[in-house]
Amino acid sequence: AQSVSQHNHHVILSEAASLELGCNYSYGGTVNLFWYVQYPGQHLQLLLKYFSGDPLVKGIKGFEAEFIKSKFSFNLRKPSVQWSDTAEYFCAVNAYNFGNEKLTFGTGTRLTIIP
Amino acid sequence: DAGVTQSPTHLIKTRGQQVTLRCSPKSGHDTVSWYQQALGQGPQFIFQYYEEEERQRGNFPDRFSGHQFPNYSSELNVNALLLGDSALYLCASSQTGSNQPQHFGDGTRLSIL
Repeated sequence: AQSVSQHNHHVILSEAASLELGCNYSYGGTVNLFWYVQYPGQHLQLLLKYFSGDPLVKGIKGFEAEFIKSKFSFNLRKPSVQWSDTAEYFCAVNAYNFGNEKLTFGTGTRLTIIP
Repeated sequence: DAGVTQSPTHLIKTRGQQVTLRCSPKSGHDTVSWYQQALGQGPQFIFQYYEEEERQRGNFPDRFSGHQFPNYSSELNVNALLLGDSALYLCASSQTGSNQPQHFGDGTRLSIL
């Protein structure tokens, strides 16, 4: 069975600070990896995804993530956060197929940016 | 191009009642998945429908059932509601074989009194 761990439950940063949110997964096979963001009152939106190829993937709004297979990790990074990045961030994984197999989510990290 | 739409937005029920939630997938998508998101938790997979059949199922009891219609829209039914069923129910759609990720709707907030 797949599982996803997000160790940071709530992160508080000042604007312009750098961000790294941790994500570790457990699964015996090849996986697809995702980061979704949920802004207050909005639906889950895809930030970025990794299916194969370059382990450093870039997403929307200046976010990037690095897949480290040996560490089963897919950490999310942003060099300089903005107040508008305040949201809930979810890491997710599914079995390698066509990307629409069931998603297993972590418990989420609440990010609060202080102006 | 309409995204994933869900109805109703909010719903209040009492224990023992039954509820039906509805989802229209994004245009061009043929697969619908349902997730339950309890407060402070990540979404949990309930089941997925493709070609009007349940293709995958998560660890949810038989009280949770679904249906997919020929136009790819879907319903989630929950019988004998429990207090623990209070959650945000999310619908996600995708296109089988496209290697594209799932797109989520705004969800239905279900409260059980």
